[in-house]
Amino acid sequence: KAGVTQTPRYLIKTRGQQVTLSCSPISGHRSVSWYQQTPGQGLQFLFEYFSETQRNKGNFPGRFSGRQFSNSRSEMNVSTLELGDSALYLCASSLGTGVTSTDTQYFGPGTRLTVL
Amino acid sequence: KNEVEQSPQNLTAQEGEFITINCSYSVGISALHWLQQHPGGGIVSLFMLSSGKKKHGRLIATINIQEKHSSLHITASHPRDSAVYICAAYFYGGSQGNLIFGKGTKLSVKP
Repeated sequence: KAGVTQTPRYLIKTRGQQVTLSCSPISGHRSVSWYQQTPGQGLQFLFEYFSETQRNKGNFPGRFSGRQFSNSRSEMNVSTLELGDSALYLCASSLGTGVTSTDTQYFGPGTRLTVL
Repeated sequence: KNEVEQSPQNLTAQEGEFITINCSYSVGISALHWLQQHPGGGIVSLFMLSSGKKKHGRLIATINIQEKHSSLHITASHPRDSAVYICAAYFYGGSQGNLIFGKGTKLSVKP
């Protein structure tokens, strides 16, 4: 069974641009969660989707948004990029409702975003 | 403010030692996660706890709801256990919940 895939793996953007990252969960998984990891702040939770509905949300500005499609694939979008958005963006999928489920979360390899 | 504190920040152990990593949180939570991040960056979800204790191989996770505290234990540690261990607490408020992460504990197990 294929693992969680994220595309692209690396991305370079400039301030003010917008970016869309994609996450394909493990087949059969209905929950996708997104995380940001930086050296300074560590791991931070962005949001979680289950059956196309946002179930939980972290403390990020409205520039960060996401959606989930009927096939459970998810995208996250960051508009008006800032230098501080440079980070590793990770997604994870699980069978159940993600962060509140007893099901194991499976993490993807991440997308490394650099904002210049 | 919802906070998650981990200790110690760094831990060096000899192979075979029993290891304990601690995680405390500020207010009542619905669930607590333990994650392992390898030196290459890959993250593995180890446990999700809402009460009691869970065991998987040499790893044991416990949570004390009244004391707002969780521990991750590694028995008979091995160099391959060297990684960063991260706890995260799920706080539910209003219509949605938030997951707050600790800063992580960097474990190095020497042969």
